[in-house]
Amino acid sequence: DAKTTQPTSMDCAEGRAANLPCNHSTISGNEYVYWYRQIHSQGPQYIIHGLKNNETNEMASLIITEDRKSSTLILPHATLRDTAVYYCIVSPRGKLIFGQGTELSVKP
Amino acid sequence: GAVVSQHPSWVICKSGTSVKIECRSLDFQATTMFWYRQFPKQSLMLMATSNEGSKATYEQGVEKDKFLINHASLTLSTLTVTSAHPEDSSFYICSAREPGVLYNEQFFGPGTRLTVL
Repeated sequence: DAKTTQPTSMDCAEGRAANLPCNHSTISGNEYVYWYRQIHSQGPQYIIHGLKNNETNEMASLIITEDRKSSTLILPHATLRDTAVYYCIVSPRGKLIFGQGTELSVKP
Repeated sequence: GAVVSQHPSWVICKSGTSVKIECRSLDFQATTMFWYRQFPKQSLMLMATSNEGSKATYEQGVEKDKFLINHASLTLSTLTVTSAHPEDSSFYICSAREPGVLYNEQFFGPGTRLTVL
């Protein structure tokens, strides 16, 4: 599975958009980009995934660059409840290998 | 989204005893379930992949005789930590994937916190 690189931590003001970057320069053609988040002491929660095209759902938007070597997760209006560790994972239909993720702190 | 439950949510046991953790998919049938372990301040580490009706596939470095996995039905997988020791104290999390889905969305349970005294 391709490796991902994410910033260790980020801050965001409540109500503003949170933009979380992820580099995955060794991604293969059949690997999807997945985003999960983990709120403290809970199981991870699926957010969104994409292959080539940008995706949007009720939680977030996923922007994937044309060369697929990086992506950005956008939380359009961050709330305090969005404070969590966000994991960017690239994987084909197989295992999810979690990296260290980005610890997002949403501040009032 | 689909719901995955775990039982118990926390357990404390004495060193040398065995502990069983259950993982259930509540509203879908899961042919594949996964078991993870997470130590404090660390990321999730995949331990094994559990396929219904067949032997689990363990990740490198995970002792299959210590962490026994059984996936006897399409809605239940169990992880048994045998002869537990304090270093096995951790947060154990399972996940399940719906069959036939082309991508890899997994639904995670709430986790089980194991403390071995």
